[in-house]
Amino acid sequence: KNEVEQSPQNLTAQEGEFITINCSYSVGISALHWLQQHPGGGIVSLFMLSSGKKKHGRLIATINIQEKHSSLHITASHPRDSAVYICAPRTSGTYKYIFGTGTRLKVLA
Amino acid sequence: ETGVTQSPTHLIKTRGQQVTLRCSSQSGHNTVSWYQQALGQGPQFIFQYYREEENGRGNFPPRFSGLQFPNYSSELNVNALELDDSALYLCASSFPGLAGVDEQFFGPGTRLTVL
Repeated sequence: KNEVEQSPQNLTAQEGEFITINCSYSVGISALHWLQQHPGGGIVSLFMLSSGKKKHGRLIATINIQEKHSSLHITASHPRDSAVYICAPRTSGTYKYIFGTGTRLKVLA
Repeated sequence: ETGVTQSPTHLIKTRGQQVTLRCSSQSGHNTVSWYQQALGQGPQFIFQYYREEENGRGNFPPRFSGLQFPNYSSELNVNALELDDSALYLCASSFPGLAGVDEQFFGPGTRLTVL
């Protein structure tokens, strides 16, 4: 079993839909990254959180450390949101990040 | 303030050769992490350098080695290249905060193809 599981693996949505991507992990963590990767390969950090909830524009990330679960929500999705979204928890006591395989999102106009 | 840069962008090598990839960290960042991302997979942690010392290593053989320089830029060296080393190599820089929570800023990656 992978230490980080993301669901769904692939997601196609219509423009304007509310999207949720889930991340579950089995190790103790001190923080968790949500990352966005476009087809060219470049990775952008969306959020770094260790508790609660963060919001940035149309993006919201939540984390429940006790339940070992985090979610990324996109409100009013747009075709430019099409990308791979990767969850990357940082294992406790280290600076090592482990990465999910990502959720491939496609938003249709 | 400049972001994280990597060079070269693309590289083609043959089996058995050696390669050096370079990363310049974001201004003010003293920590660099290297990752290997095979096609269709999430990045895998190779190692991290903090103030010129290796600060942690993933499950990669010794032929993957690195350096960090006084200006905090870094190199990843891979000896005796194998076909499976073909991947996107990403570096990320950060500055560990007081709470030990560091946000990583990624470079654009170097795509290595081994023939």
